[in-house]
Amino acid sequence: DTGVSQDPRHKITKRGQNVTFRCDPISEHNRLYWYRQTLGQGPEFLTYFQNEAQLEKSRLLSDRFSAERPKGSFSTLEIQRTEQGDSAMYLCASRPTGGETQYFGPGTRLLVL
Amino acid sequence: SQKIEQNSEALNIQEGKTATLTCNYTNYSPAYLQWYRQDPGRGPVFLLLIRENEKEKRKERLKVTFDTTLKQSLFHITASQPADSATYLCASGHDMRFGAGTRLTVKP
Repeated sequence: DTGVSQDPRHKITKRGQNVTFRCDPISEHNRLYWYRQTLGQGPEFLTYFQNEAQLEKSRLLSDRFSAERPKGSFSTLEIQRTEQGDSAMYLCASRPTGGETQYFGPGTRLLVL
Repeated sequence: SQKIEQNSEALNIQEGKTATLTCNYTNYSPAYLQWYRQDPGRGPVFLLLIRENEKEKRKERLKVTFDTTLKQSLFHITASQPADSATYLCASGHDMRFGAGTRLTVKP
């Protein structure tokens, strides 16, 4: 399967713990995006990378959230000191430079107890 | 503030009828709009893209329109089938701002 993959698919954690999610984009896609989606809402943009450079970050994004894409391939999203309000589906998408369509992964569903 | 809105949270129609979903945007002018389908527990899947200088785009039973005067896009599914039941999302241009989605249910 050459689509976008995300790991893990589900994560349950206790409030205050740190969690890290991984996204493997479609190979040769330079752009990688992270979104958060809560029930009944559309995906909300968090951040995006062009290769290894983080070019944009949502102003709504707490400083507890950090993302990396060290070699311009896979990316990780870390949430520190999780709160119950962080419970959501975290989606990753990739897009080739010059392309207009994003290809989404299956998401990581996070539940913070 | 810039907004993209899908006014209908849910739409129920009978099999064989045409489903029409609405997407409105305010306070900006996206160069293009995209429509995605999302099934429960899965990521969105791209369906169609329409640019601001295109009035209509078709793909099989799907049709999208873009009216820059009304600041609106309409998404149509003709001859709807129960398998079309899903949430449909519109998203604007490069900033990929998404609407909240419309949950379509097609009843047999």
